[in-house]
Amino acid sequence: TQLLEQSPQFLSIQEGENLTVYCNSSSVFSSLQWYRQEPGEGPVLLVTVVTGGEVKKLKRLTFQFGDARKDSSLHITAAQPGDTGLYLCAYISNFGNEKLTFGTGTRLTIIP
Amino acid sequence: KAGVTQTPRYLIKTRGQQVTLSCSPISGHRSVSWYQQTPGQGLQFLFEYFSETQRNKGNFPGRFSGRQFSNSRSEMNVSTLELGDSALYLCASSPRSSDRYGYTFGSGTRLTVV
Repeated sequence: TQLLEQSPQFLSIQEGENLTVYCNSSSVFSSLQWYRQEPGEGPVLLVTVVTGGEVKKLKRLTFQFGDARKDSSLHITAAQPGDTGLYLCAYISNFGNEKLTFGTGTRLTIIP
Repeated sequence: KAGVTQTPRYLIKTRGQQVTLSCSPISGHRSVSWYQQTPGQGLQFLFEYFSETQRNKGNFPGRFSGRQFSNSRSEMNVSTLELGDSALYLCASSPRSSDRYGYTFGSGTRLTVV
């Protein structure tokens, strides 16, 4: 099982600031997914990145898949309190093995 | 359309008891997966069912089992509960091609073993 290390583990910033969180591995992935989980709820899929170097934008959130498809980043511009949550990257094993393996997570708190 | 429904939302059990959790997937989704989430271990895969067949299983003891019915609804059972089984249990459903469409999670069942 490949490991997905996310950094930082915890991040607390003021509303309006920008931030970047990272998802790293030594393995190559066919795709990576990003989820956000709010307290008391299940993770919600934000995006799937498939192509090396791919950049996807979701309003103030920008996701990038590394050129070598080993890592990914999530950049949030002008963070808002509603962005608070646990951010998780995940991959699906290859060969039809339909199992999501999650990263260690980044717990983000936006202070009003 | 209705999302993934998990019942009950909260559960308190005594060590040694058994528990059954239920998950109703999104209509039309045939794949149902179960995950355990704890502060120390994060989100860990339990098992996945597709068309009533277990296709994949994580590294959990045999006390953890599951099944899927013909209407795609799924249940998981934990026997002989231990304190360490206290966790948020999440169910996720997906269309067949989950790699492209991703998984939709329910709100989870919070199990506390005392």
